[in-house]
Amino acid sequence: AQSVTQLDSQVPVFEEAPVELRCNYSSSVSVYLFWYVQYPNQGLQLLLKYLSGSTLVESINGFEAEFNKSQTSFHLRKPSVHIRDTAEYFCAVMRSGGSNYKLTFGKGTLLTVNP
Amino acid sequence: EAGVTQSPTHLIKTRGQQATLRCSPISGHTSVYWYQQALGLGLQFLLWYDEGEERNRGNFPPRFSGRQFPNYSSELNVNALELEDSALYLCASSLWSGQEQFFGPGTRLTVL
Repeated sequence: AQSVTQLDSQVPVFEEAPVELRCNYSSSVSVYLFWYVQYPNQGLQLLLKYLSGSTLVESINGFEAEFNKSQTSFHLRKPSVHIRDTAEYFCAVMRSGGSNYKLTFGKGTLLTVNP
Repeated sequence: EAGVTQSPTHLIKTRGQQATLRCSPISGHTSVYWYQQALGLGLQFLLWYDEGEERNRGNFPPRFSGRQFPNYSSELNVNALELEDSALYLCASSLWSGQEQFFGPGTRLTVL
């Protein structure tokens, strides 16, 4: 079974400051890793994913995450946040291969960007 | 290209009633997944359908059931509704099993 721990339930930052949202996972098998973002009263949007290849993955809106297998982490970073980045962010894992393709989510981190 | 669509947006039921939620996947996607997002419980996997078959289910009672139609759309049925079934129900689809999942806007179910 897989599990995901998002270490911070809330992260308040000021606009244009850097931010890191932490995600650690536990799994006995290889996994794919994802970050999803949920704006108020909306569904989840896929922000970025790690399936294989380069351990550093980037999104089109300036976020990046690095897969660290030894530390079982997939932290999300952005060098300069905007007010519009205020949302809840979910880290998720999926077993790669096998026959069970469910996503296991962390409990989420609420990022609040203040002016 | 249209994303995943879900209907209705909101649904209000009373205890003991049945609820039916619907989902249309992205065109060309064959796998559909259902998740429950309840306050305090986070996002939990409910059901996975692929090629019309139920492939896996999460730790939910049998009164949560569903199906996938030949056009790959899906329906989630919740029987004998309980207050704790109040939640946002999210549907996701993927091109095929094991690929990234794209989510719909959800159906907000309120049980009174």
